[in-house]
Amino acid sequence: GESVGLHLPTLSVQEGDNSIINCAYSNSASDYFIWYKQESGKGPQFIIDIRSNMDKRQGQRVTVLLNKTVKHLSLQIAATQPGDSAVYFCAERPTGGSYIPTFGRGTSLIVHP
Amino acid sequence: GAGVSQSPRYKVAKRGQDVALRCDPISGHVSLFWYQQALGQGPEFLTYFQNEAQLDKSGLPSDRFFAERPEGSVSTLKIQRTQQEDSAVYLCASSSRSGLYQETQYFGPGTRLLVL
Repeated sequence: GESVGLHLPTLSVQEGDNSIINCAYSNSASDYFIWYKQESGKGPQFIIDIRSNMDKRQGQRVTVLLNKTVKHLSLQIAATQPGDSAVYFCAERPTGGSYIPTFGRGTSLIVHP
Repeated sequence: GAGVSQSPRYKVAKRGQDVALRCDPISGHVSLFWYQQALGQGPEFLTYFQNEAQLDKSGLPSDRFFAERPEGSVSTLKIQRTQQEDSAVYLCASSSRSGLYQETQYFGPGTRLLVL
């Protein structure tokens, strides 16, 4: 069936390094993608989104890249900080205005000071 | 309000007990969503409200789960005759417009339910 998944369940980096979190999706009808950050004991927090008519979008210290050819999404975090340690989820929503995002399993990012 | 709030934050229930979980969305937000999140997994959709109307309840796992939003603001998720497999974090999210728009959903901190 259609699914959204993550390549790496855990990513460990040193403070100051750049982090890259990857996500594969299989629903070719998806046209909107979102990255969320979830800290322990908290709900998911919106980080950045991208629509399928774009291949790159930048925010503050974060960049999302979308490769529709291979159905791949990535989140790049520049100069990773200990406060970035959390679980990161990608989510996709299909064309047609569906309001229901499908979340992937999540990647745990651990930043070592 | 400053954000979405949920209560209680933690709930321990004995198997067979009924529970009620409350969500206070951001003031004025039209859309409200409930999700269930198992340990180590992403949130899974349960149900969606637009104002007081429950437009989608396709994600509710059984008829023991019931949600309401009678005045279009606060919502309650009720689980009757709880079972151990109901143990999870229940997340509420709201957004300012109809869910048909590609709009940010703001999540609450969740209620962690443990059924013994």
